[in-house]
Amino acid sequence: NAGVTQTPKFQVLKTGQSMTLQCAQDMNHEYMSWYRQDPGMGLRLIHYSVGAGITDQGEVPNGYNVSRSTTEDFPLRLLSAAPSQTSVYFCASTASGANVLTFGAGSRLTVL
Amino acid sequence: GEDVEQSLFLSVREGDSSVINCTYTDSSSTYLYWYKQEPGAGLQLLTYIFSNMDMKQDQRLTVLLNKKDKHLSLRIADTQTGDSAIYFCAECTNAGGTSYGKLTFGQGTILTVHP
Repeated sequence: NAGVTQTPKFQVLKTGQSMTLQCAQDMNHEYMSWYRQDPGMGLRLIHYSVGAGITDQGEVPNGYNVSRSTTEDFPLRLLSAAPSQTSVYFCASTASGANVLTFGAGSRLTVL
Repeated sequence: GEDVEQSLFLSVREGDSSVINCTYTDSSSTYLYWYKQEPGAGLQLLTYIFSNMDMKQDQRLTVLLNKKDKHLSLRIADTQTGDSAIYFCAECTNAGGTSYGKLTFGQGTILTVHP
């Protein structure tokens, strides 16, 4: 099994550009989530989903959109990138009742 | 709200024990986790403890939980240079026992192991 796959691994954007970070899991997990990691701040939850068609906001949702059209995929969209969104982004998934998250390898985004 | 705090740095000599500490504020925490992140890599789950336990041991790792003081620690015995990494404490506070993929993380402790 591939687990949780994130693409791209690295991306450089200019302020105002849009892009989508992709996340796919092949474990049939119901729950998926997006975190951002910033130095000295740990990981903070951006958005999460408890199943196809159901998403909700986390701690730092502003500037990000998500959708969950299938169980496998949970893309994170930046509509108008800002330098404050320079970060490392992690996607994670877990099965219902499992309480143990599986993380992707991360996507490093730089916004100039 | 939920808050998880860790000290930012820890430096030890190879072969010594390392103790990484974490405090949390939410008394309804159900599961508490320790994750390891090596440079440029994702997060690897090391171990986790359910809130009704005081201690959990897994090979070189010992987790201690003091619910009264809301304090969690991770002890690594016989620390090796390969243990150098960032260690994150995290809590799940969903009252139903399901996190829905939502964890609250500490800032991370950078462990440096000197030969």
